[in-house]
Amino acid sequence: DVKVTQSSRYLVKRTGEKVFLECVQDMDHENMFWYRQDPGLGLRLIYFSYDVKMKEKGDIPEGYSVSREKKERFSLILESASTNQTSMYLCASATSGSMYNEQFFGPGTRLTVL
Amino acid sequence: AQTVTQSQPEMSVQEAETVTLSCTYDTSESDYYLFWYKQPPSRQMILVIRQEAYKQQNATENRFSVNFQKAAKSFSLKISDSQLGDAAMYFCALIPYNNNDMRFGAGTRLTVKP
Repeated sequence: DVKVTQSSRYLVKRTGEKVFLECVQDMDHENMFWYRQDPGLGLRLIYFSYDVKMKEKGDIPEGYSVSREKKERFSLILESASTNQTSMYLCASATSGSMYNEQFFGPGTRLTVL
Repeated sequence: AQTVTQSQPEMSVQEAETVTLSCTYDTSESDYYLFWYKQPPSRQMILVIRQEAYKQQNATENRFSVNFQKAAKSFSLKISDSQLGDAAMYFCALIPYNNNDMRFGAGTRLTVKP
């Protein structure tokens, strides 16, 4: 089974702090994604990466950056956390070779910015 | 661009009964895949069922089935013999055949009453 793990289930940070959210997948997937989940809005794509050191902006990249130095690891960075970044963050991965482009999700990190 | 709409923020069903969750979408793509994902409370999001747009036959997975109406751009999920473990947030999603741009609906929270 595909396993996608995220470094924290719950995180509380203060406004202005630099925040790192880590995601690791163990299935050698080429593609990795960071989503933000908010009530009534579903999942919105922040960034995705289709290879090491490669990244593409999603729908809501403002205030975020990402890093992918190794194939299995994809990090989301909040350079200066703000209260409007309080949310659930979901990481996902997918293989380029999948017929269905199915994405596999991590358990999520619920981030609260005070 | 694709959009996915789930018009039912919340639904409830009696245990052992049947419930249908609605999903409509819009896309200019001719080839795409549709998914229903389940997110149980405080647990990982998992795939429930998927449908290839080029297939007329509706997908079925045990108690879960879909009603796919391509012309109407409708993709509803039917859960038969509902169980307490079916209680979750359900997301409808669409992804074009040739890229990673997966779009999600806002979600429907399903409650199962004993």
